[in-house]
Amino acid sequence: QKEVEQDPGPLSVPEGAIVSLNCTYSNSAFQYFMWYRQYSRKGPELLMYTYSSGNKEDGRFTAQVDKSSKYISLFIRDSQPSDSATYLCAMSAWGGSANAGKSTFGDGTTLTVKP
Amino acid sequence: NAGVTQTPKFQVLKTGQSMTLQCAQDMNHEYMSWYRQDPGMGLRLIHYSVGAGITDQGEVPNGYNVSRSTTEDFPLRLLSAAPSQTSVYFCASRTRVTEAFFGQGTRLTVV
Repeated sequence: QKEVEQDPGPLSVPEGAIVSLNCTYSNSAFQYFMWYRQYSRKGPELLMYTYSSGNKEDGRFTAQVDKSSKYISLFIRDSQPSDSATYLCAMSAWGGSANAGKSTFGDGTTLTVKP
Repeated sequence: NAGVTQTPKFQVLKTGQSMTLQCAQDMNHEYMSWYRQDPGMGLRLIHYSVGAGITDQGEVPNGYNVSRSTTEDFPLRLLSAAPSQTSVYFCASRTRVTEAFFGQGTRLTVV
Protein backbone atom coordinates (compact mmCIF):
# COMPACT_ATOMS: atom_id res chain seq x y z
CA GLN A 1 0.00 0.00 0.00
CA LYS A 2 1.26 3.47 -0.86
CA GLU A 3 2.18 5.88 1.92
CA VAL A 4 0.12 8.62 0.25
CA GLU A 5 -3.15 8.00 -1.57
CA GLN A 6 -4.81 10.76 -3.56
CA ASP A 7 -8.33 10.80 -4.96
CA PRO A 8 -7.62 9.90 -8.59
CA GLY A 9 -10.08 12.06 -10.49
CA PRO A 10 -10.29 13.41 -13.08
CA LEU A 11 -12.53 16.12 -11.79
CA SER A 12 -14.61 18.43 -13.99
CA VAL A 13 -16.55 21.33 -12.49
CA PRO A 14 -18.28 24.47 -13.77
CA GLU A 15 -16.68 27.85 -13.21
CA GLY A 16 -17.45 29.23 -9.77
CA ALA A 17 -17.81 25.84 -8.11
CA ILE A 18 -16.11 24.88 -4.86
CA VAL A 19 -13.55 22.15 -5.43
CA SER A 20 -12.34 19.65 -2.84
CA LEU A 21 -9.15 17.68 -3.43
CA ASN A 22 -8.18 15.00 -0.94
CA CYS A 23 -5.33 12.77 0.18
CA THR A 24 -4.84 10.19 2.89
CA TYR A 25 -1.55 8.94 4.30
CA SER A 26 -0.23 6.22 6.55
CA ASN A 27 3.14 7.48 7.88
CA SER A 28 2.75 9.13 11.29
CA ALA A 29 6.17 10.82 10.90
CA PHE A 30 4.81 13.24 8.30
CA GLN A 31 4.57 16.73 9.75
CA TYR A 32 4.57 18.98 6.69
CA PHE A 33 1.77 18.80 4.17
CA MET A 34 2.01 20.44 0.77
CA TRP A 35 -0.09 21.09 -2.28
CA TYR A 36 1.40 21.63 -5.70
CA ARG A 37 -0.19 22.73 -8.94
CA GLN A 38 1.16 21.40 -12.21
CA TYR A 39 0.13 22.78 -15.55
CA SER A 40 0.50 20.58 -18.59
CA ARG A 41 4.14 20.07 -19.62
CA LYS A 42 5.42 22.22 -16.75
CA GLY A 43 7.13 21.54 -13.45
CA PRO A 44 5.09 21.44 -10.22
CA GLU A 45 4.62 24.74 -8.43
CA LEU A 46 4.25 24.92 -4.66
CA LEU A 47 0.83 26.35 -3.76
CA MET A 48 0.74 26.00 0.00
CA TYR A 49 2.15 24.06 2.86
CA THR A 50 0.96 23.53 6.41
CA TYR A 51 2.61 22.22 9.50
CA SER A 52 0.76 19.66 11.63
CA SER A 53 -3.03 19.85 11.96
CA GLY A 54 -5.21 22.81 11.17
CA ASN A 55 -6.28 25.09 8.37
CA LYS A 56 -4.38 27.56 6.24
CA GLU A 57 -5.97 30.01 3.85
CA ASP A 58 -4.42 31.84 0.91
CA GLY A 59 -6.87 33.74 -1.24
CA ARG A 60 -9.28 31.27 -2.81
CA PHE A 61 -7.30 28.28 -1.55
CA THR A 62 -7.67 26.60 1.85
CA ALA A 63 -5.53 23.70 3.00
CA GLN A 64 -6.84 21.52 5.79
CA VAL A 65 -4.95 18.86 7.75
CA ASP A 66 -6.43 16.33 10.16
CA LYS A 67 -3.53 14.32 11.59
CA SER A 68 -5.81 12.21 13.76
CA SER A 69 -7.50 10.88 10.62
CA LYS A 70 -4.37 11.13 8.45
CA TYR A 71 -6.38 13.11 5.93
CA ILE A 72 -5.62 16.34 4.10
CA SER A 73 -7.70 18.47 1.77
CA LEU A 74 -7.34 21.44 -0.54
CA PHE A 75 -10.42 23.55 -1.15
CA ILE A 76 -10.65 25.96 -4.07
CA ARG A 77 -13.41 28.55 -3.86
CA ASP A 78 -14.89 30.32 -6.87
CA SER A 79 -12.93 28.06 -9.21
CA GLN A 80 -11.68 29.59 -12.46
CA PRO A 81 -10.71 28.06 -15.81
CA SER A 82 -7.12 29.07 -14.98
CA ASP A 83 -7.27 26.62 -12.05
CA SER A 84 -7.40 23.75 -14.57
CA ALA A 85 -4.31 21.71 -13.79
CA THR A 86 -3.12 18.62 -11.98
CA TYR A 87 -2.92 19.03 -8.22
CA LEU A 88 -0.42 16.98 -6.24
CA CYS A 89 -0.38 16.51 -2.51
CA ALA A 90 2.94 15.81 -0.82
CA MET A 91 4.20 15.16 2.69
CA SER A 92 7.52 15.23 4.47
CA ALA A 93 8.99 14.65 7.87
CA TRP A 94 11.02 17.11 9.94
CA GLY A 95 14.30 18.22 8.40
CA GLY A 96 16.34 16.77 11.25
CA SER A 97 14.79 13.30 11.20
CA ALA A 98 15.89 10.15 9.42
CA ASN A 99 13.47 11.03 6.62
CA ALA A 100 14.99 14.45 6.06
CA GLY A 101 15.26 15.55 2.48
CA LYS A 102 12.44 13.36 1.23
CA SER A 103 8.90 14.21 0.26
CA THR A 104 6.32 11.64 -0.70
CA PHE A 105 3.86 12.65 -3.40
CA GLY A 106 0.37 11.53 -4.28
CA ASP A 107 -0.34 10.55 -7.87
CA GLY A 108 -2.24 13.77 -8.60
CA THR A 109 -5.79 14.79 -9.42
CA THR A 110 -6.50 16.45 -12.74
CA LEU A 111 -9.00 19.27 -12.46
CA THR A 112 -10.85 20.90 -15.34
CA VAL A 113 -12.89 24.04 -14.68
CA LYS A 114 -15.33 24.69 -17.51
CA PRO A 115 -16.33 28.28 -18.37
CA ASN B 1 15.69 35.07 -11.93
CA ALA B 2 16.17 32.71 -9.04
CA GLY B 3 15.19 29.13 -9.62
CA VAL B 4 16.14 25.67 -10.77
CA THR B 5 17.58 25.20 -14.23
CA GLN B 6 17.50 21.82 -15.94
CA THR B 7 19.20 20.87 -19.18
CA PRO B 8 18.46 19.49 -21.66
CA LYS B 9 14.69 19.95 -22.04
CA PHE B 10 14.36 17.02 -24.44
CA GLN B 11 16.57 14.02 -25.17
CA VAL B 12 16.33 10.82 -27.19
CA LEU B 13 18.76 8.04 -26.31
CA LYS B 14 19.40 4.62 -27.72
CA THR B 15 19.27 1.65 -25.38
CA GLY B 16 22.61 1.25 -23.65
CA GLN B 17 23.76 4.85 -24.04
CA SER B 18 24.69 6.92 -21.03
CA MET B 19 24.01 10.57 -20.36
CA THR B 20 23.92 13.19 -17.64
CA LEU B 21 20.95 15.39 -16.84
CA GLN B 22 22.11 18.71 -15.45
CA CYS B 23 20.47 20.61 -12.60
CA ALA B 24 21.54 23.89 -11.05
CA GLN B 25 19.96 26.12 -8.41
CA ASP B 26 20.94 29.59 -7.27
CA MET B 27 19.06 29.83 -3.99
CA ASN B 28 21.73 28.23 -1.81
CA HIS B 29 19.32 25.48 -0.74
CA GLU B 30 20.92 22.60 1.11
CA TYR B 31 18.59 19.94 -0.16
CA MET B 32 18.08 18.89 -3.76
CA SER B 33 16.11 16.01 -5.26
CA TRP B 34 15.55 14.18 -8.52
CA TYR B 35 12.16 12.78 -9.43
CA ARG B 36 10.72 10.96 -12.36
CA GLN B 37 7.12 11.38 -13.40
CA ASP B 38 5.29 8.73 -15.37
CA PRO B 39 1.64 8.93 -16.49
CA GLY B 40 -0.72 8.23 -13.61
CA MET B 41 2.12 7.58 -11.17
CA GLY B 42 2.86 10.97 -9.72
CA LEU B 43 6.41 11.90 -8.75
CA ARG B 44 8.79 9.18 -7.62
CA LEU B 45 12.01 10.08 -5.83
CA ILE B 46 15.18 8.78 -7.50
CA HIS B 47 17.98 10.30 -5.40
CA TYR B 48 18.31 13.21 -3.07
CA SER B 49 21.03 15.22 -1.37
CA VAL B 50 21.06 16.99 1.98
CA GLY B 51 24.21 18.97 1.25
CA ALA B 52 27.41 19.03 -0.75
CA GLY B 53 29.04 15.62 -0.64
CA ILE B 54 25.98 13.88 0.85
CA THR B 55 23.54 11.90 -1.28
CA ASP B 56 21.09 9.10 -0.64
CA GLN B 57 18.74 6.84 -2.55
CA GLY B 58 15.08 7.43 -2.99
CA GLU B 59 12.32 5.11 -4.07
CA VAL B 60 13.58 4.19 -7.56
CA PRO B 61 17.40 4.58 -7.64
CA ASN B 62 18.38 1.64 -9.84
CA GLY B 63 20.09 2.65 -13.08
CA TYR B 64 20.89 6.18 -11.86
CA ASN B 65 23.85 7.80 -10.13
CA VAL B 66 24.21 11.22 -8.55
CA SER B 67 26.92 13.31 -6.98
CA ARG B 68 26.89 16.67 -5.23
CA SER B 69 30.25 18.41 -5.36
CA THR B 70 28.82 21.92 -4.92
CA THR B 71 25.69 23.37 -3.32
CA GLU B 72 24.52 24.64 -6.71
CA ASP B 73 24.75 21.54 -8.90
CA PHE B 74 23.17 18.12 -8.68
CA PRO B 75 23.61 16.10 -11.89
CA LEU B 76 21.80 12.83 -12.54
CA ARG B 77 23.61 10.18 -14.56
CA LEU B 78 21.93 7.40 -16.47
CA LEU B 79 24.48 4.62 -16.64
CA SER B 80 23.04 2.45 -19.44
CA ALA B 81 19.71 3.73 -20.70
CA ALA B 82 16.77 1.34 -20.92
CA PRO B 83 13.29 1.89 -22.42
CA SER B 84 11.87 1.69 -18.86
CA GLN B 85 13.69 4.96 -18.15
CA THR B 86 11.56 6.83 -20.67
CA SER B 87 9.97 9.47 -18.46
CA VAL B 88 9.90 13.12 -17.50
CA TYR B 89 12.62 13.99 -14.99
CA PHE B 90 12.33 16.85 -12.53
CA CYS B 91 15.00 18.34 -10.34
CA ALA B 92 13.93 20.24 -7.25
CA SER B 93 15.59 22.32 -4.60
CA ARG B 94 14.10 22.29 -1.18
CA THR B 95 14.25 23.81 2.23
CA ARG B 96 14.18 21.56 5.29
CA VAL B 97 10.42 21.46 4.89
CA THR B 98 9.53 20.90 1.30
CA GLU B 99 10.43 21.05 -2.37
CA ALA B 100 10.26 24.77 -2.93
CA PHE B 101 11.19 25.00 -6.59
CA PHE B 102 11.09 22.55 -9.45
CA GLY B 103 12.84 22.80 -12.76
CA GLN B 104 10.89 22.68 -16.00
CA GLY B 105 11.72 19.05 -16.59
CA THR B 106 13.65 16.90 -19.04
CA ARG B 107 11.60 14.71 -21.34
CA LEU B 108 13.66 11.61 -22.01
CA THR B 109 12.83 8.93 -24.55
CA VAL B 110 14.88 5.74 -24.76
CA VAL B 111 14.47 3.78 -27.98
